[in-house]
Amino acid sequence: NAGVTQTPKFRILKIGQSMTLQCTQDMNHNYMYWYRQDPGMGLKLIYYSVGAGITDKGEVPNGYNVSRSTTEDFPLRLELAAPSQTSVYFCASRPGSGNSYEQYFGPGTRLTVT
Amino acid sequence: AQSVSQHNHHVILSEAASLELGCNYSYGGTVNLFWYVQYPGQHLQLLLKYFSGDPLVKGIKGFEAEFIKSKFSFNLRKPSVQWSDTAEYFCAVKSPNAGNMLTFGGGTRLMVKP
Repeated sequence: NAGVTQTPKFRILKIGQSMTLQCTQDMNHNYMYWYRQDPGMGLKLIYYSVGAGITDKGEVPNGYNVSRSTTEDFPLRLELAAPSQTSVYFCASRPGSGNSYEQYFGPGTRLTVT
Repeated sequence: AQSVSQHNHHVILSEAASLELGCNYSYGGTVNLFWYVQYPGQHLQLLLKYFSGDPLVKGIKGFEAEFIKSKFSFNLRKPSVQWSDTAEYFCAVKSPNAGNMLTFGGGTRLMVKP
């Protein structure tokens, strides 16, 4: 299993541009999450999904959108990039059953908006 | 809303020194607690987790953590650190909300000098 994969690894955007961060997991996990990591702030939840077709906002959803058309994929969309969205973005997933609640993380996407 | 505090932002130790990283959380209900580690340039990996039972939890690479309910704490320890332990460490608590999201502390950056 590849686990959770994310593309691209790095990206530089100009203000106002749009882009999609890709996230794919091959573990058949129901739950998927998008976090952003800012220095000294830990990780903040942007959006999450409990299964295909179901998404919901996390702590910091403004400026982002998501979709979940399949179990495997959970792309994050930035429509109008702003400097405040400069961050490292992590996708994570976990099984829907059991009580482990452990999340498995992807390698991250480092985004710079200038 | 629950929160997680990691009071040590940066820690510098020499090899073979003992390590203790503090973690306090605010959630008063049944807690599931985690420590994740992020080695330079890598994604977050689970070190250990607490769900119930023995409050002293052993994880990978010689790490352990103790859950003290009365103090709302889940401190991470290692008796003798190695240079390869240089990384950022994150404490997290499972939230009952938002798809059982994880609420993360701000992280502690550990540097071990050879």
